[in-house]
Amino acid sequence: KNEVEQSPQNLTAQEGEFITINCSYSVGISALHWLQQHPGGGIVSLFMLSSGKKKHGRLIATINIQEKHSSLHITASHPRDSAVYICAVGAIQGAQKLVFGQGTRLTINP
Amino acid sequence: KAGVTQTPRYLIKTRGQQVTLSCSPISGHRSVSWYQQTPGQGLQFLFEYFSETQRNKGNFPGRFSGRQFSNSRSEMNVSTLELGDSALYLCASSRLAGEGTQYFGPGTRLLVL
Repeated sequence: KNEVEQSPQNLTAQEGEFITINCSYSVGISALHWLQQHPGGGIVSLFMLSSGKKKHGRLIATINIQEKHSSLHITASHPRDSAVYICAVGAIQGAQKLVFGQGTRLTINP
Repeated sequence: KAGVTQTPRYLIKTRGQQVTLSCSPISGHRSVSWYQQTPGQGLQFLFEYFSETQRNKGNFPGRFSGRQFSNSRSEMNVSTLELGDSALYLCASSRLAGEGTQYFGPGTRLLVL
């Protein structure tokens, strides 16, 4: 079993829909990261969180440390949100040694 | 402020050769981490460097090595290339060691024939 599991693996939705991507992990963590990867490979860090909730524009990330679960929400989705979203956990305090989920491929149709 | 840069962007090598990839972090960032991305294994951690010292290493064979220079630029080297080393190699920088948001470079796409 992978240490970091994401669901769903693929998600197709219509423009404007509310999107939720889930991430579960089995190890103790120092921080959890949500990353976005567009075709071509470039990765952008969306959020780093160790507790609670963070919001940036239409994106919201939450984490429940007790349940070892995090969610990434996208409100009013747009075709430009189409990308692979990757959850990664830092399992060692004071280290950037990230363990990655397999990614969720999101496609937003106009 | 310029982002993380990686050179070269694309590379084709043959089995048995060696390759050196370069990463220049964002100015002021002293931590550099390297990752390998393949379709089968996804993203995997290779190494983390801070102040010219390797702080952590992932589960890769000794053919994979790296170093960091005093200006925080980093290189990784893969010797005796195998077909399975074909991948996108990404580096990321952060201001401090072991914490904080990582900023990723565009990656070097390596094809081993």
